[in-house]
Amino acid sequence: NAGVTQTPKFQVLKTGQSMTLQCAQDMNHNSMYWYRQDPGMGLRLIYYSASEGTTDKGEVPNGYNVSRLNKREFSLRLESAAPSQTSVYFCASSNRDRLTDTQYFGPGTRLTVL
Amino acid sequence: GENVEQHPSTLSVQEGDSAVIKCTYSDSASNYFPWYKQELGKGPQLIIDIRSNVGEKKDQRIAVTLNKTAKHFSLHITETQPEDSAVYFCAASNGAGNQFYFGTGTSLTVIP
Repeated sequence: NAGVTQTPKFQVLKTGQSMTLQCAQDMNHNSMYWYRQDPGMGLRLIYYSASEGTTDKGEVPNGYNVSRLNKREFSLRLESAAPSQTSVYFCASSNRDRLTDTQYFGPGTRLTVL
Repeated sequence: GENVEQHPSTLSVQEGDSAVIKCTYSDSASNYFPWYKQELGKGPQLIIDIRSNVGEKKDQRIAVTLNKTAKHFSLHITETQPEDSAVYFCAASNGAGNQFYFGTGTSLTVIP
């Protein structure tokens, strides 16, 4: 099991460019999440998908879109990148039910917007 | 929404000593409190969690305590080792809406 994988690991964009961050999990989890991590601010939820075919906004959704392509894959798109979106992005998945809410995180994508 | 505060932001201890990290939360509906360890260049990894029907949980050198009345929970690491050096995050969830709220992290350094 690879767990949660993310691509790319690093990316540099110019202001206004677009890109898609890819995430895949092989644990057959129902729920998937996108977070951003900024110094001194912990992890903040951008979007999540409770199940295939559904997506919902988290705490900081502005400037992002997501697609739950299938049960395994959940992508995050920046349509017009801004310097404020410079951050480390983490994807996570869980098989949330009454017994467990454990989230498993990918290794992260470090994004710099110039 | 929920607000999770975490203290201290940095913590240095001598190898073999204990380390304690504390978190408070605001939403009385929160009922699940995980702790994550993040090593440099990696994603967070769950190390222990506790639910609101339990006051304390222990796993070898790591323990978590929960005080629902005061709305705070703490991570205790005993007999610290250099490999415990990392950033630790607490989080809270109310089990609805799939949303987790994270603290701002504690950078723990264990000095050999």
